[in-house]
Amino acid sequence: QVQLVQSGAEVKKPGASVKVSCKASGYTFTSYDINWVRQATGQGLEWMGWMNPNSGNTGYAQKFQGRVTMTRNTSISTAYMELSSLRSEDTAVYYCARQSPAGTVDYWGQGTLVTVSS
Amino acid sequence: EIVMTQSPATLSVSPGERATLSCRASQSVSSNLAWYQQKPGQAPRLLIYGASTRATGIPARFSGSGSGTEFTLTISSLQSEDFAVYYCQQYNNWYTFGQGTKLEIK
Repeated sequence: QVQLVQSGAEVKKPGASVKVSCKASGYTFTSYDINWVRQATGQGLEWMGWMNPNSGNTGYAQKFQGRVTMTRNTSISTAYMELSSLRSEDTAVYYCARQSPAGTVDYWGQGTLVTVSS
Repeated sequence: EIVMTQSPATLSVSPGERATLSCRASQSVSSNLAWYQQKPGQAPRLLIYGASTRATGIPARFSGSGSGTEFTLTISSLQSEDFAVYYCQQYNNWYTFGQGTKLEIK
């Protein structure tokens, strides 16, 4: 069965960077784009960007341009999302999600809580 | 950026009754519209894509309709497990989500 397993919770200081991993199993990793979505506590869902694991091509939401980098390691079927220059407003649960052939996302990781606090 | 607006913010309905949730796009998204259900502490779950196609394993009491800029999610007879937050999402031009509708027990 399709699974996306993310790395554990992180606590970071303002100005630091965080790198979240997302390990895929149960399907061919390079055949489906990976998206990243975040959710602040009690808030809605915010799309950050996508990555094609086959080519490495990426597309980022304008809000995160210059601060986010999405990469992958195909040998271990793992996608990564790195967010830099962290501020308190970046405190949120970060999800990876597989893009379905229909264009939306069909499988989600369990989420990774990133807390930014001095 | 396409803005998605959901209404109402909170909907109070009794078990067994019908719930109707609305989603409006700031410009046409064709039928590239999905609905998700999210329960506390869980990741969202895909319910509907293509505006009206149920995802695998989703009960028939969930139905979606609409195209262009106006969309509706209907839950025909609410079960206890259906009380949650529902999000619409357009995927016609990148992705954007609505702010969510909380479906609560009346």
